[in-house]
Amino acid sequence: AQRVTQPEKLLSVFKGAPVELKCNYSYSGSPELFWYVQYSRQRLQLLLRHISRESIKGFTADLNKGETSFHLKKPFAQEEDSAMYYCALRRSGGSYIPTFGRGTSLIVHP
Amino acid sequence: DGGITQSPKYLFRKEGQNVTLSCEQNLNHDAMYWYRQDPGQGLRLIYYSQIVNDFQKGDIAEGYSVSREKKESFPLTVTSAQKNPTAFYLCATTTGDAGELFFGEGSRLTVL
Repeated sequence: AQRVTQPEKLLSVFKGAPVELKCNYSYSGSPELFWYVQYSRQRLQLLLRHISRESIKGFTADLNKGETSFHLKKPFAQEEDSAMYYCALRRSGGSYIPTFGRGTSLIVHP
Repeated sequence: DGGITQSPKYLFRKEGQNVTLSCEQNLNHDAMYWYRQDPGQGLRLIYYSQIVNDFQKGDIAEGYSVSREKKESFPLTVTSAQKNPTAFYLCATTTGDAGELFFGEGSRLTVL
């Protein structure tokens, strides 16, 4: 069975500090990993996906198959980064059934 | 705007009543999903449908029912059998190949 673990419910940092939101997964096949973000009063939306290997809003995430992790990182947090972040895994091939972690609330203080 | 419309945004229900949440999309996406979002529990999959006239149970389908008679619509009924229905419900769609989920604004159901 596939599983996504986000160990931190809440992450609180000051503006300009580095941020790392942790995500670990368990899946026997080849996974597709995503980060979704939900800003206050906005829809849940895709932030980035591992296959794109891109940086969005200064965030990056690298898939580490050895450690089964997909941590989200940003070197200098901004107040507007405050939001709820969800890590998600989708089985590759066959049925596209995404599984989400419990989410991490990021608060960036001024 | 958005492409996915959920209604109503807020709904109150008395115990023992069924209620139906609407999800309509104009993105021409094949797959549609219903998730339940509870604080500290993330998003849990209730039902999903990958094609018209077909749908599958997710992880927490008990007490819920769905239909997929049209590509654009995937309504969710919360029945009286659902023991703890008060929650925020999210509808999502995807083309499948792209992998990205597109979400509606959600419906908040409160059982009085």
